[in-house]
This record gives sequence, structure tokens and C-alpha cells, in this order.
Amino acid sequence: QVQLQESGPGLVKPSETLSLTCTVSGGSISGYYWSWIRQPPGKGLEWIGSIFYSGTTNYNPSLKSRVIISVDTSKNQFSLRLSSVTAADTAVYYCARQPGGSYGQLDYWGQGTLVTVSS
Amino acid sequence: DIQMTQSPSSLSASVGDRITITCRASQSISSYLNWYQQKPGKAPNLLIYAASGLRSGVPSRFSGSGSGTDFTLTISSLQPEDFATYFCQQSYSSPRTFGQGTKVEIK
Repeated sequence: QVQLQESGPGLVKPSETLSLTCTVSGGSISGYYWSWIRQPPGKGLEWIGSIFYSGTTNYNPSLKSRVIISVDTSKNQFSLRLSSVTAADTAVYYCARQPGGSYGQLDYWGQGTLVTVSS
Repeated sequence: DIQMTQSPSSLSASVGDRITITCRASQSISSYLNWYQQKPGKAPNLLIYAASGLRSGVPSRFSGSGSGTDFTLTISSLQPEDFATYFCQQSYSSPRTFGQGTKVEIK
């Protein structure tokens, strides 16, 4: 059974960089796209971006100037860095898997991690 | 960006009811439409992919239909575990976008 687990600081100061890692277990990172999605408390879902296992990235233009997604196939992990954060970046951050050659569905998700931006 | 609009935003229903949730895209997305269920404090869970494909393990009371700009998610006989929030998502183009969600509550 594929499992995804987000990890990283739960509190980030304004103007600093949010860094999260998603560890994939029970399956290989190869052959899939890997996404980050966030959900502000009580609100809807926002797609941040994705990375193919080979390293090709695709970012939401609304965040593109501040986002870097990277992959480490040797560790079966991928990561998110979001710079210059503000209170508006406070959200539950999810990582998720998209099968290659699929209709783009996100078939496995991590449990999510709440990141609060506050001084 | 493609805007996804769900209706209604919330609904109240009873166990055993048949319910339908609608999702409309601001432009044609062919069949690149997915449905997710989210319960409080949990991650979304994929129910339907490619507009009408039932994910393995998802009960057959869930069904999806539509293509182009108009899509529906139907639950044929609502069960207690189905009370949750449902989101549609388009995967036709980047950036991927989600509907605002439909909360299904107990009447």
C-alpha cells in the first residue's frame, strides 16, 4: 500500500522560507508525477505544483516566483520550498501522487501538515 | 486559469436519499474531471477519475457523468459515512484547479 508522509516545521516566520518533504513508502517514486496542494483553514484546495520523477516541474503561476519543487529518487522523497511567506500562506499542505499517463487524478495523498506563518 | 464552479455549496439530506452535485468548468475540459471526498481533518480521497471512472474500492453507489463543461457526481443511496465535503478538480490544463466544495450534511 502506497503511503505518503509530509514532514517539516509547523511554524514559519513571515518573510522566511517554508520547507516541506514528502516521503513515499510502499512504492517507487519512479513513473509518477508528485504534487503539492494546500488548503487554508476552512477553505478550498489550491494546487501548488508538481514534479515528474525525472525532475520536470510544473508550477501554479500564482506562486511560481516563490516555489521550488525537487525530487530525490534515491530517498523516495520530494520537497517543497516556498519563499517569502506571509500569513496568507498559512494552510494544511498535502503531498499527492498522480499516475503517469493518467487523466491527472491524484490517487494517493499524505495526511497533511499544518503550517502556520506567524512571528 | 480554468474556473470550476460547484453547486450547491451545501445540502442537507437523509440516509437513503439520492443526491447529485454539479460541477461546471469555465471552458471545455473534455473528460479531465476528478471527484474527491474529504472528511474533517483528513486528506481528500479520490472517488471518480476521468469524469466517470470509479476508483477501485469505492462503493458503486457513487457515480460520475458528463463531459465538456458540465459534470455531475451522484450518490444513489446516501450512507452515514458519506456525509463529507466533495470537491471536483480539472486536470485538463495547468494550473490544476478545484471547485469550492459541496458540504453534504445530515438532515
